[in-house]
Amino acid sequence: QVQLVQSGAEVKKPGDSMRVSCRASGYTFTDNYIHWVRQAPGQGLQWMGWINPNGGGTNCAQNFQGRVTMTRDTSITTAYMELRSLRSDDTAVYYCVRAPRGSSFDPWGQGTLVTVSS
Amino acid sequence: QSALTQPASVSGSPGQSITISCTGTSSDVGGYNHVSWYQQHPGKVPKLMIYDVSNRPSGVSNRFSGSKSGNTASLSISGLRAEDEADYYCSSFTSGITYVFGTGTRVTVL
Repeated sequence: QVQLVQSGAEVKKPGDSMRVSCRASGYTFTDNYIHWVRQAPGQGLQWMGWINPNGGGTNCAQNFQGRVTMTRDTSITTAYMELRSLRSDDTAVYYCVRAPRGSSFDPWGQGTLVTVSS
Repeated sequence: QSALTQPASVSGSPGQSITISCTGTSSDVGGYNHVSWYQQHPGKVPKLMIYDVSNRPSGVSNRFSGSKSGNTASLSISGLRAEDEADYYCSSFTSGITYVFGTGTRVTVL
């Protein structure tokens, strides 16, 4: 079945960088975009950006421009999201999610909790 | 890009029907038929309920339906059940070739 498996929880200090990985299986990796979404504790969902595994093109929300980099390695069907210059309000669960058709985000990875604290 | 506007909470009794609104602009909800809805139970991963305004993925109950009028999309739940109690989020494609989520709605089954 289609599955996205993310890397484990991380604790970072303000100013650090983080990188979350997302390994895809059960479908042709280059057929569907991968999106990144985050959710701060007790807060709503925030869309961060997408990567097209077929070619590597990306786009991100204005809030994250200049601070986020999305990449992929098609040989191991894995997408990566790097966020730099971390602040305490970057503490959140980060999700990768496949976009198989239209506006659908499905399925979601299990989420990766990143805690930013001094 | 500002978040789409949803009511903070909606409630209903078992068996009743409720509707959650999702208001955006002509640059997102009103401009494209790429609105989707997600259900999230506490501590769980979001689940796709509706995509492209009104399409239901296989496995999602037909008690859930979606629609759109102008800049406002809606999710309706009929025959409300205890297991429908969750947070619901809308999402839309935007003119910047980006996406935006709604502010989220807590559904309470009385």
